[in-house]
Amino acid sequence: QSVLTQPPSASGTPGQRVTISCSGSNSNIGTNTVDWYQQLPGTAPKLLIYGNNQRPSGVPDRFSGSKSGTSASLSISGLQSEDEADYYCTTWDDSLNGGGIFGGGTKLTVL
Amino acid sequence: QVQLVQSGAEVKQPGASVKVSCKASGYPFTSYGLTWVRQAPGQGLEWMGWISGYNGKTKSAEKLQGRVTMTTDTSTTTAYMELRSLRSDDTAVYYCARGGGGSYLGMDYWGQGTQVIVSS
Repeated sequence: QSVLTQPPSASGTPGQRVTISCSGSNSNIGTNTVDWYQQLPGTAPKLLIYGNNQRPSGVPDRFSGSKSGTSASLSISGLQSEDEADYYCTTWDDSLNGGGIFGGGTKLTVL
Repeated sequence: QVQLVQSGAEVKQPGASVKVSCKASGYPFTSYGLTWVRQAPGQGLEWMGWISGYNGKTKSAEKLQGRVTMTTDTSTTTAYMELRSLRSDDTAVYYCARGGGGSYLGMDYWGQGTQVIVSS
């Protein structure tokens, strides 16, 4: 069971807006920035959002991130078929044994 | 351009060790850390550990402590991850990624992944 909680699945139709949540605690999301990754089947993860809400060069502005307290979210607007993928949130945990942590991942289906 | 090129697939017996390499190019190696992440078949991403490209300082996941060793060779700009006492549940694709370690910038470049199969 992951320290960061994501819904296992999400779905939407083309053009819709979808939001994926990531819930943590004071020792991780509450203290550190959150990143989001997209993973297409059979490929390495790709950085989508870093520093809670920053997009790397080349990532469409349809993707946005936010953080409030101990939760974060990834929003995808103008949903496209190629957005069908697994999405993971990640952050650092400052607890005793600390380290990086990932959410369990959310499989996004474009209907 | 930034590239991380990993070593090839491995098949190991239970109890053996595996050492995966990650050759970095296209950026100043000592200016970034490297993170190791693995993904078991059909499962999510699991953070394994992080190593500084500057001084070799490491931080590993609690569940792997004692079995995993991460090192770097700055002369060849290559990072290594060795996992010992392999078990069947270590079967996974292993990735290296630039960054992480609590960095604000995220893990922006990833290797292609190395399949490790543990089977008798």
